[in-house]
Amino acid sequence: DTAVSQTPKYLVTQMGNDKSIKCEQNLGHDTMYWYKQDSKKFLKIMFSYNNKELIINETVPNRFSPKSPDKAHLNLHINSLELGDSAVYFCASSDKAPYGYTFGSGTRLTVV
Amino acid sequence: QQQVKQSPQSLIVQKGGISIINCAYENTAFDYFPWYQQFPGKGPALLIAIRPDVSEKKEGRFTISFNKSAKQFSLHIMDSQPGDSATYFCAASNSFGNEKLTFGTGTRLTIIP
Repeated sequence: DTAVSQTPKYLVTQMGNDKSIKCEQNLGHDTMYWYKQDSKKFLKIMFSYNNKELIINETVPNRFSPKSPDKAHLNLHINSLELGDSAVYFCASSDKAPYGYTFGSGTRLTVV
Repeated sequence: QQQVKQSPQSLIVQKGGISIINCAYENTAFDYFPWYQQFPGKGPALLIAIRPDVSEKKEGRFTISFNKSAKQFSLHIMDSQPGDSATYFCAASNSFGNEKLTFGTGTRLTIIP
């Protein structure tokens, strides 16, 4: 049983395209996150949702839009993809933030 | 502004040796300090964590040492094994604030036979 699952695992797309990454957690956690890991392995938070409500929105371009249809799902939609968006995107969840984050395996996005 | 500084960037240790990774933070409101372990192609996984009311926490071969006055904490891996080869991240959070984890820049640890 995968606790936090992300799809797709790999995503290669051209500049200017729109793409989505899906995340689902079966842990019953209330809080979900999106983190971006760049080529130097630096992990930076993008968004946080608690029970479908946006609670953290870091300085992220408007091209990135999270959507949480229910507390078990947090999707990330990216418009007009740019070369600099290439990174690994991790979804995570937590029962009682900030304790015990559980991360997904990541989605490697490559923009060409 | 990077609020958690981690060093070294990479570390090579012989099997059976002690691996030491250091972190320093700036925000005095931080009150929760976890370490995460990440293997290639996987997400980070919580390894061990400490709160500032204690100076040391040990779980098996992994120990966190915490120095509140210096605003520093470190991870010690005793009897390092090849299976410990991974990237390690320290992190910090204000558990009464917006509760996000701020991560250090990561240390790539390689254990050689």
